[in-house]
Amino acid sequence: QQQVKQSPQSLIVQKGGISIINCAYENTAFDYFPWYQQFPGKGPALLIAIRPDVSEKKEGRFTISFNKSAKQFSLHIMDSQPGDSATYFCAASRDQGAQKLVFGQGTRLTINP
Amino acid sequence: KAGVTQTPRYLIKTRGQQVTLSCSPISGHRSVSWYQQTPGQGLQFLFEYFSETQRNKGNFPGRFSGRQFSNSRSEMNVSTLELGDSALYLCASSLNADQETQYFGPGTRLLVL
Repeated sequence: QQQVKQSPQSLIVQKGGISIINCAYENTAFDYFPWYQQFPGKGPALLIAIRPDVSEKKEGRFTISFNKSAKQFSLHIMDSQPGDSATYFCAASRDQGAQKLVFGQGTRLTINP
Repeated sequence: KAGVTQTPRYLIKTRGQQVTLSCSPISGHRSVSWYQQTPGQGLQFLFEYFSETQRNKGNFPGRFSGRQFSNSRSEMNVSTLELGDSALYLCASSLNADQETQYFGPGTRLLVL
C-alpha cells in the first residue's frame, strides 16, 4: 500500500532527446507527487511536483504527466543535456501535514553528448 | 538564505558504538525529517519532528532515535551500531507542519566497520 515503483532503473539518452521516467503507486490516499534530482555526493533537490487535481505540470524542460485512474505519473525531460545526468527519484506523500515521503527506487540517467 | 546543513559530513564508526548526527534546517523552517539512503533499500523515512515533537516514525528499530530543539535544529542518534547501518543519512526541512515541500541537506555518510 505504501510502495512507489519506479522504472527504468537506468536510462541512457542522447543529447537533445527526451528522457522519460515512470512511477506507479498503490495508495490512493497519496495527494502530493514530487520528483527529486540527486547528483553524486549531494542531497536530493526538488525538481517539480504535482497534485492529483491536474494531469500535467510543466516547468522549463521538465514535465510531469499524471494519470489518476491508472495510479501512474511520469517525468519527461525535453531536450536532455549532459548536465541532466543524475539519479532521479519520484516520491509520494499523503495527508497534508504528514510530511512522510515514500520514494521510488531511483533512475540513473545518463545523457550522452 | 543558507540551505540545510548537516554535520559531520563523513563518519567512520565500529560495530557497537553509537553516533549522533546533527541537522540545522533552513532559517525559519520548523519541520525536520530524517531519511536513510542505501543502495539496496533506497531512501527510507526515519522520523519527522515539528515543534520539538516527533510526529511520524518510520519502520526502524528503537536503536534509531532523534530529537528537535527549540531553535528547530535536530539530532538523530543510532546506538549499538551494526554493519547494516552504513548509509547516507539525509535531513530535510520544510516551513511548517502543513508544508509538503521538503529541502534536503547534503547528508552525513556513515561507515560502520
